[in-house]
Amino acid sequence: EDQVTQSPEALRLQEGESSSLNCSYTVSGLRGLFWYRQDPGKGPEFLFTLYSAGEEKEKERLKATLTKKESFLHITAPKPEDSATYLCAVRPFGNEKLTFGTGTRLTIIP
Amino acid sequence: GAVVSQHPSRVICKSGTSVKIECRSLDFQATTMFWYRQFPKQSLMLMATSNEGSKATYEQGVEKDKFLINHASLTLSTLTVTSAHPEDSSFYICSARFGGLNQPQHFGDGTRLSIL
Repeated sequence: EDQVTQSPEALRLQEGESSSLNCSYTVSGLRGLFWYRQDPGKGPEFLFTLYSAGEEKEKERLKATLTKKESFLHITAPKPEDSATYLCAVRPFGNEKLTFGTGTRLTIIP
Repeated sequence: GAVVSQHPSRVICKSGTSVKIECRSLDFQATTMFWYRQFPKQSLMLMATSNEGSKATYEQGVEKDKFLINHASLTLSTLTVTSAHPEDSSFYICSARFGGLNQPQHFGDGTRLSIL
């Protein structure tokens, strides 16, 4: 059974304080690992897809990396508007189903 | 801009009522749409996969007679919660994928369902 574990559950940072969020996964053949951002009361917003170990993707202050067992979402010099819950999901080969982690609730304090 | 539109955003109704939620893909055709349920501080749980022109595929433990899914066109899927009860109160979210199998799912903004 595919599993996704995200840590920490919650993270509070001062504005400008860089950090990383972790997503550990087990999957029967990884087709893709997805990062989403979810604001309260809203649906998830797509950020990145990673397909193979060693791959990296960047968007503004966010950079996602992937190994064979985990993915990191690095946030550099965050701003208050980066506050949200960040979700990680995996999709195996031969299946359209996404398995989500429970997310990391990130709060950036001005 | 949003590529998936979900309506309504919030529903409050009495126990025993049936509630229909619409999910539309904007500017693209979605042969497959997905319905999720999310409880507070919990992960998104896939309820069913909706395929245009055929029956939905339900996940284990999801009652197909309770959660009716119709995907009558390439841009519209509906979820009907029949005879809703307080335990059905939750946040329901739909998603759609367009393009190849490696493309991500794009999500609607969800429907907060509260059954009194």
